[in-house]
Amino acid sequence: GAVVSQHPSRVICKSGTSVKIECRSLDFQATTMFWYRQFPKQSLMLMATSNEGSKATYEQGVEKDKFLINHASLTLSTLTVTSAHPEDSSFYICSAPSDRSQETQYFGPGTRLLVL
Amino acid sequence: GEDVEQSLFLSVREGDSSVINCTYTDSSSTYLYWYKQEPGAGLQLLTYIFSNMDMKQDQRLTVLLNKKDKHLSLRIADTQTGDSAIYFCAESSGYSSASKIIFGSGTRLSIRP
Repeated sequence: GAVVSQHPSRVICKSGTSVKIECRSLDFQATTMFWYRQFPKQSLMLMATSNEGSKATYEQGVEKDKFLINHASLTLSTLTVTSAHPEDSSFYICSAPSDRSQETQYFGPGTRLLVL
Repeated sequence: GEDVEQSLFLSVREGDSSVINCTYTDSSSTYLYWYKQEPGAGLQLLTYIFSNMDMKQDQRLTVLLNKKDKHLSLRIADTQTGDSAIYFCAESSGYSSASKIIFGSGTRLSIRP
């Protein structure tokens, strides 16, 4: 079964509103989680590393004030897209390091965001 | 920075072998991965190889790693229609699962009858 969940799976919002996406590790703890963005027919771009109890680490070119990340507990990280615009429409995927294998991460099923 | 490159498309006949190639630039890569993504779905880890290995075989999948040339390939034997998907090559330079993973652009594999 799924070990990382995301909610919602799909969301449509109006331009200018904010949208929160949740990423949960199921039955295991994750002090670190990763957020990726995938444009249509393109690769996954790492946006940021979410760290439990401290600030997220953003990749170059990612606006931290635009994409707010909060890792408030050992099983939950949230990504908030603030003042969303149509160009923020994308597929957002989170991942969490495996608690059983040092080599792999578990990926969530993704959240498709459409900003009108 | 780190870069991972793949060809965008591959078309093979059902029953033939598929070979998807990937090159990467990070000489300190420790793990190299192959992920599969079906339409509208998340990522499925197919297999991975540690950088001190040359080859790994898992049922129909064979991974070859040429560390000197920074070249990774995935061979799918007896390709089936269910293998149609996008295949992502990825690398990590850390030694734990908490290290960030860098993805290639993905190769879209299509199967023709």
